[in-house]
Amino acid sequence: AQSVTQLDSHVSVSEGTPVLLRCNYSSSYSPSLFWYVQHPNKGLQLLLKYTSAATLVKGINGFEAEFKKSETSFHLTKPSAHMSDAAEYFCVVRMGLFGNEKLTFGTGTRLTIIP
Amino acid sequence: EAGVAQSPRYKIIEKRQSVAFWCNPISGHATLYWYQQILGQGPKLLIQFQNNGVVDDSQLPKDRFSAERLKGVDSTLKIQPAKLEDSAVYLCASSQRDRAHEQYFGPGTRLTVT
Repeated sequence: AQSVTQLDSHVSVSEGTPVLLRCNYSSSYSPSLFWYVQHPNKGLQLLLKYTSAATLVKGINGFEAEFKKSETSFHLTKPSAHMSDAAEYFCVVRMGLFGNEKLTFGTGTRLTIIP
Repeated sequence: EAGVAQSPRYKIIEKRQSVAFWCNPISGHATLYWYQQILGQGPKLLIQFQNNGVVDDSQLPKDRFSAERLKGVDSTLKIQPAKLEDSAVYLCASSQRDRAHEQYFGPGTRLTVT
């Protein structure tokens, strides 16, 4: 079975400093992995996706993630945090066969930006 | 393009009462999903529709939860009777057929059961 584990439930960084949100995955084969973001009182939004192409994936708002098979990790990073980045971030794995696929979400990491 | 619409946004009920949530997906999206998000957890898939047929309802508590998508467009999720542990945000999402990774989420309905 495939699953994801988000290593930090809460991360705080100062505005302008780098962001690192950690995610490890468990899968018996090459997984499809995603990061979703949930801003307060707004719907979940796809941030970026990895589907076995380039291992370094760029997403919206300056975020990127690197798939590392040797470490079974898919950490989310951003060089410089902005106040608008404050939100809940979910690491997600796609499961199931073609035509019957579904997403399994991690428990989330709440990102706080300190002015 | 209009996003996924949900109503109501907030609902407070007493245990053992019933409640219904409505979702209107993005036009043209064949697949519709209902998730339950308990505070401090990630969303958990309750049921997935492809047009008006159920693809996956393995995590739906069928003794009290029901959902339908009769015309393959909008959908209703019902809880009857509600329990305290049903307090959560109920999210609706939609996607094009066979593009489960690109789901578009509605704002959710926050349910409080007292």
